[in-house]
Amino acid sequence: GAVVSQHPSRVICKSGTSVKIECRSLDFQATTMFWYRQFPKKSLMLMATSNEGSKATYEQGVEKDKFLINHASLTLSTLTVTSAHPEDSSFYICSASSASGWTDTQYFGPGTRLTVL
Amino acid sequence: RKEVEQDPGPFNVPEGATVAFNCTYSNSASQSFFWYRQDCRKEPKLLMSVYSSGNEDGRFTAQLNRASQYISLLIRDSKLSDSATYLCVVNKDSTLGRLYFGRGTQLTVWP
Repeated sequence: GAVVSQHPSRVICKSGTSVKIECRSLDFQATTMFWYRQFPKKSLMLMATSNEGSKATYEQGVEKDKFLINHASLTLSTLTVTSAHPEDSSFYICSASSASGWTDTQYFGPGTRLTVL
Repeated sequence: RKEVEQDPGPFNVPEGATVAFNCTYSNSASQSFFWYRQDCRKEPKLLMSVYSSGNEDGRFTAQLNRASQYISLLIRDSKLSDSATYLCVVNKDSTLGRLYFGRGTQLTVWP
């Protein structure tokens, strides 16, 4: 199957700093990338959908100024958590889709575990 | 009401057992349905898509009942390696790729 990588896999930062997470599709061109967040023992929650070259579409309740998403190429999307606070500590997972037409197959990255002190 | 509801379990079964998970979804317009599995502290991995006619992949059988907005997963001859959390997933709406994830059902298979 298709491979999606994320970097870093784990990050610990101080409150108030910004953290950038990269998501790369390694062997296919991802027309659409998705960012999810998962708190312990909770379900994955979609944060935003990004299409290459256009602005991301954020889900209700997700602050676009806090979670900056850039999808500059067909193989790379980045999520920047600005001015991170302890409540932003979570497991952030990206997925990528090469969908053209009606298919929802998404390939997930391994996730980034963010801990804000 | 949550978009996708699952019994969180845990289900603890011996090797070789048959176990079934159920899931209900609230959006009658949902078109695509999936089961994913997620191991502890890992990303979810697609187990199988769910089709209206029902489908089988080895020891795994998925069923969809659109009238009742109900999805099921049956695992036969459970293996130790089946221990994981099983996520019921439906597409959020007609927009491609926006998925609702259930909270997951935890399965532990013991020897």
